[in-house]
Amino acid sequence: GESVGLHLPTLSVQEGDNSIINCAYSNSASDYFIWYKQESGKGPQFIIDIRSNMDKRQGQRVTVLLNKTVKHLSLQIAATQPGDSAVYFCAENPQGSNYKLTFGKGTLLTVNP
Amino acid sequence: DAGVIQSPRHEVTEMGQEVTLRCKPISGHNSLFWYRQTMMRGLELLIYFNNNVPIDDSGMPEDRFSAKMPNASFSTLKIQPSEPRDSAVYFCASSFLGGQVGELFFGEGSRLTVL
Repeated sequence: GESVGLHLPTLSVQEGDNSIINCAYSNSASDYFIWYKQESGKGPQFIIDIRSNMDKRQGQRVTVLLNKTVKHLSLQIAATQPGDSAVYFCAENPQGSNYKLTFGKGTLLTVNP
Repeated sequence: DAGVIQSPRHEVTEMGQEVTLRCKPISGHNSLFWYRQTMMRGLELLIYFNNNVPIDDSGMPEDRFSAKMPNASFSTLKIQPSEPRDSAVYFCASSFLGGQVGELFFGEGSRLTVL
């Protein structure tokens, strides 16, 4: 079936640099997307979301970009800090469902001091 | 608020034994989810409750798995009998769904190892 596609790649950045984590989704009917952060030994934690009627949304140090034409989602983290080291998941909500989230497999972000 | 509370945090058991995982959702939330996380399959939805009623259990692997939500503040996920392939981290999440999907609040998970 269709799914959000991540194969647990690893991204290593220096403290203070900006990070960009990418996600390709395949379900063109999805209309809501979320980014979650999961630290080792903990549950996923909400970072930011975006609906399909938007192409950009900003939070505190984070920005999510949505390109529906190529079905691509990205999470940008400004001035990355050691505390940002974690696995980042994108998730999509298929249109017509008010509860289903399909998660990708995650990207491991490592921040070097 | 204390967040979603799960117990036990870690469980090691032998094949064939019964396993019961517990979850206390955030007060006021009307939706509860059980997810399973493995390296191979990532996060998978097992079952979804709304107002204590199971709405979607299509993700429950087989009859060995069952889940209950007797009231708004408690849910269990039971595996009987357990098998080594059930080894995973099981997450409970809760949310207030008012018509559209929104943020899920996850517990810290129960790591299950079946020997």
